Amino acid sequence: EVQLVESGGGLVQPGGSLRLSCVVSGFDVRSTYMSWVRQAPGKGLEWVAVLHAGYSTYYGDSVKGRFAISRDNSKNTLYLQMDSLKAEDTALYYCARNDYGGNYMDLWGEGTAVTVSS
Amino acid sequence: DIHLTQSPSSLSASIGDRVNVTCRATYNIDSSLSWYQQRPGKAPILLIHDVSTLQSGVPSRFSGGGSGTDFTLTISSLQLEDVGTYFCQQSYSNPALTFGGGTKVEIK
Repeated sequence: EVQLVESGGGLVQPGGSLRLSCVVSGFDVRSTYMSWVRQAPGKGLEWVAVLHAGYSTYYGDSVKGRFAISRDNSKNTLYLQMDSLKAEDTALYYCARNDYGGNYMDLWGEGTAVTVSS
Repeated sequence: DIHLTQSPSSLSASIGDRVNVTCRATYNIDSSLSWYQQRPGKAPILLIHDVSTLQSGVPSRFSGGGSGTDFTLTISSLQLEDVGTYFCQQSYSNPALTFGGGTKVEIK
């Protein structure tokens, strides 16, 4: 079955770190672009980061320099390392598969919730 | 930065009604526009990409149109299962992607 399953969310204090995981099933994580998208409570969607098949990475302005997207090919898993977390990073984080050109997201996970609060 | 404005922000319509959702871009984005549906409490799903290409498995009552800066998502005959929030997304500034603010669709 083709699916994405996120984990790793939780409650963290401001300034703390968290690593999110997205286990990929049914296709090779190396074969296409993969993104993280987040949604703050009651708000819209915000693209966070993308990892190209060739390892190039790009980030939204609000997380640049604090977040890092990566993958482990042997585990067929995508990651999002989040450092220097702020209250405004509180959101449901979705892992998503992009089309090969990175233009749209045709498969989404169910998300993992991150709360940044003291 | 390319900003997307959706209108209306919410709407209420009857079963069987034709529903239109508009997405306007601050700059010409050619045909680099997709639409997503997010049912309450669920993850988004891709409905349409490249303005008008229906994603596999999406009912044919959904259609998309437009070009340049103005785009429309149409539901030809609203069904109960269409309740949710609809988002447009541009990829003209790929790799940086942006979403519209969303349009919440409810049944009257």
